[in-house]
Amino acid sequence: DTGVSQDPRHKITKRGQNVTFRCDPISEHNRLYWYRQTLGQGPEFLTYFQNEAQLEKSRLLSDRFSAERPKGSFSTLEIQRTEQGDSAMYLCASSLAGRDNQPQHFGDGTRLSIL
Amino acid sequence: SQKIEQNSEALNIQEGKTATLTCNYTNYSPAYLQWYRQDPGRGPVFLLLIRENEKEKRKERLKVTFDTTLKQSLFHITASQPADSATYLCAPILTGGGNKLTFGTGTQLKVEL
Repeated sequence: DTGVSQDPRHKITKRGQNVTFRCDPISEHNRLYWYRQTLGQGPEFLTYFQNEAQLEKSRLLSDRFSAERPKGSFSTLEIQRTEQGDSAMYLCASSLAGRDNQPQHFGDGTRLSIL
Repeated sequence: SQKIEQNSEALNIQEGKTATLTCNYTNYSPAYLQWYRQDPGRGPVFLLLIRENEKEKRKERLKVTFDTTLKQSLFHITASQPADSATYLCAPILTGGGNKLTFGTGTQLKVEL
């Protein structure tokens, strides 16, 4: 069990640029979640996948945000035309499917800073 | 709307004492509640799950209670140590929600020597 890994750990970019983050979940986990966390707040749910199917995306913050999990393994989160307000920590988590009480295993996040 | 409240002010306690953190929720009837620990610059780490029909759950020095009448969960750390210093997050979970978590703001705990 190598844990959930996220890449990059830090991303600094200029406003208006596109950014893409990658998440590699625990290999046997079929659910994958994306969250955003700002300073002093708990993580905020964005979207999740079961295998390659994106089961909820209504919480994505705007149409500039999109996520994929093409083969049911790793996932990417893309933000287009970044804005100052997008600066945050983006966390990925994975879990087994099944009952709704499965613990989630989080990566250490990608910290995004918009100049 | 659903709301989760945790002590927003940091909790400072002395080593060896019991820390008690509170999680209150409104407009919610969660079937489960999870507690996570988060260290600075790291992702949350799962600690404990308690079900609505369980009053109390223990794991080593940790104890969680779940009062569905008061709509409150208490998280206790006994014999606290400086290594317990972190932010603790609660996440009530509804059934049928796909296990997506809605977190409280977290309470920062600092255990002093």
